[in-house]
Amino acid sequence: SQTIHQWPATLVQPVGSPLSLECTVEGTSNPNLYWYRQAAGRGLQLLFYSVGIGQISSEVPQNLSASRPQDRQFILSSKKLLLSDSGFYLCAWSTTMNSEAFFGQGTRLTVV
Amino acid sequence: LAKTTQPISMDSYEGQEVNITCSHNNIATNDYITWYQQFPSQGPRFIIQGYKTKVTNEVASLFIPADRKSSTLSLPRVSLSDTAVYYCLVGDGVTGGGNKLTFGTGTQLKVEL
Repeated sequence: SQTIHQWPATLVQPVGSPLSLECTVEGTSNPNLYWYRQAAGRGLQLLFYSVGIGQISSEVPQNLSASRPQDRQFILSSKKLLLSDSGFYLCAWSTTMNSEAFFGQGTRLTVV
Repeated sequence: LAKTTQPISMDSYEGQEVNITCSHNNIATNDYITWYQQFPSQGPRFIIQGYKTKVTNEVASLFIPADRKSSTLSLPRVSLSDTAVYYCLVGDGVTGGGNKLTFGTGTQLKVEL
């Protein structure tokens, strides 16, 4: 069966520090991969999606970047965090044949 | 991806049937309609997906009229544990390089005793 791992669950980082969130998927090949951010009480904002290794699409201009070094690994990064980067970050994957997506447990990031 | 419009919130009581309607006037021929449920501090969870007419599974039914410009998620006999945010998505189920999943603001359902 397919599983998705996202870590860490919570993170407190000072302004200006770097960020690296990792997401890995098991049990499937060539998944579509997504990074979302959710501010408190708000909907999910799509940040990045990837349809293959090294193929990253950015949805909104921001302080973040994403990389996909391996087929089932998706990394969200920042060189210098801003206060506005605080939020709940979710990684997800889907097959290429339908739009059902499976989400990780999320990372609660607080920038202080 | 076709834009969707849902009510921001709905209130109900335990044991009642809840119907949440989503408008997607610009839905394309290849688009499927998918509904997700999200609890606080968790990722959304797939509920049901359909293309036309009616789809039913163990947790919900999805009604889609012939013009497919809207859809209605029906939750029978809700309980307190159904309090959550419900998202409607429309998207192309046929790969063209993958599909981009864009969530709207969703509908906050609150179920009370």
